[in-house]
Amino acid sequence: QKEVEQDPGPLSVPEGAIVSLNCTYSNSAFQYFMWYRQYSRKGPELLMYTYSSGNKEDGRFTAQVDKSSKYISLFIRDSQPSDSATYLCAMSSGGSEKLVFGKGMKLTVNP
Amino acid sequence: GAVVSQHPSWVICKSGTSVKIECRSLDFQATTMFWYRQFPKQSLMLMATSNEGSKATYEQGVEKDKFLINHASLTLSTLTVTSAHPEDSSFYICSAPRQGGRNEQFFGPGTRLTVL
Repeated sequence: QKEVEQDPGPLSVPEGAIVSLNCTYSNSAFQYFMWYRQYSRKGPELLMYTYSSGNKEDGRFTAQVDKSSKYISLFIRDSQPSDSATYLCAMSSGGSEKLVFGKGMKLTVNP
Repeated sequence: GAVVSQHPSWVICKSGTSVKIECRSLDFQATTMFWYRQFPKQSLMLMATSNEGSKATYEQGVEKDKFLINHASLTLSTLTVTSAHPEDSSFYICSAPRQGGRNEQFFGPGTRLTVL
């Protein structure tokens, strides 16, 4: 079993849809959870950062962490064509520890 | 968010030459930086952890003599691909965690290396 599992998709949705992206993990030592967005030929951009369990909202984005289930989610409301990108979940056991990434989910939002 | 830069953004070189890639944290200090490579349509693969003032830690299967890492200061890490070959052609990305408080990791824009 991989440390972090993420469905690679691809996922295609119409503009305005609510998108749900998920990752599961096996290492209970993970404390820091991040979602990155990566456009083609660009470096990943940090979208959401969560420490331990709970929810976090930033504009159209909501990140959820359920440590008891070892499950994290990213919700995108009112999706826009500009949201089309690859979304990677990442996590670590310490602030300066190496990140463990999911495979990345390629999302396309159609106008 | 914090800014991490990379230079150059792309480079084309002949087989057998060495290429140096710089990673800088522009508005924060980073005692640790990470180097990744990414092949098309694949996720990031961690190559090594760069530590300021000490030797880098390489992931299994990564040749330390081929991928030389130097963390010269708290804001600069360099990756040198020595005697590059076409199979080294890839997208190289660095990241740096911001210390104190939130500890998010920020990525550079990447360097596309093409070895002819």
